[in-house]
Amino acid sequence: EIVLTQSPDFQSVTPKEKVTITCRASQSIGSSLHWYQQKPDQSPKLLIKYASQSFSGVPSRFSGSGSGTDFTLTINSLEAEDAATYYCHQSSSFPYTFGQGTKLEIK
Amino acid sequence: QITLKESGPTLVKPTQTLTLTCTFSGFSLSTSGVGVGWIRQPPGKAREWLALIYWDDDKRYSPSLKSRLTITKYTSKNQVVLTMTNMDPVDTGTYYCAHRGGDSAFDIWGQGTMVTVSS
Repeated sequence: EIVLTQSPDFQSVTPKEKVTITCRASQSIGSSLHWYQQKPDQSPKLLIKYASQSFSGVPSRFSGSGSGTDFTLTINSLEAEDAATYYCHQSSSFPYTFGQGTKLEIK
Repeated sequence: QITLKESGPTLVKPTQTLTLTCTFSGFSLSTSGVGVGWIRQPPGKAREWLALIYWDDDKRYSPSLKSRLTITKYTSKNQVVLTMTNMDPVDTGTYYCAHRGGDSAFDIWGQGTMVTVSS
C-alpha cells in the first residue's frame, strides 16, 4: 500500500499570502496524484488532477507540481474563502490512498 | 451536471450489515471509462478508499476490507450499492460516493452520509 504523507498538518496564514502544501508518496506514483479541498459541512472538491492539471472551474491561484514521490499544492494570494482542509490522493495503484490532510486557518 | 447522493441508515448495531445506496444523475455507468467509488472518513481520522466499480462491472476493493464489502451497480436505476458486513464501532464515520470520469480522479463527490455503529 502506498502511504501519502502531507506536511504541514496545520497552517495559520494571512490573506494574500502564498501557501505551499507538500505530499510525499512512499514509492513512485508517476503523476497519478490528485488534490482536493474540503470545507466544513461540504463534500470534497477536486482542485488538481494528475499532479498539475487544474480541474474545471478551479481558480487560477491553485496550482500543482511534482512527479514520482514529491508533490506540491500551491495557493497564490490566499483568500479568506480558502480556509479548508486539503488532501492528496493517489490512483497509481490499488488500494487507492489519501494523505492525512492539511488544515488551513485564515488569520 | 453530475450529482451523487448517498442514502442509508444512520445507526447500525454491531455485527449488522450496512447497505448504502449511491443515486446519481448526469452520467451513465454504461459509458466507457466511468466508475463510482466509495470512500469513508472516521471521525478525526484520514479518508479511506473502500471500493470502486467500473462501467464494465470490474470491481476493486480495499484489501483490508475485501471480505466484508460488496459493490454492485444498477445501471438502469443510476444506482451503486455498497454492502459492508459485520459492522463494528470502528466503522463509524462519514461515507461518500464519488464519480470517476475518464481519468482516475474522483471529480464529483456526494454530500456524504454519517453512519454510527453502536448498540
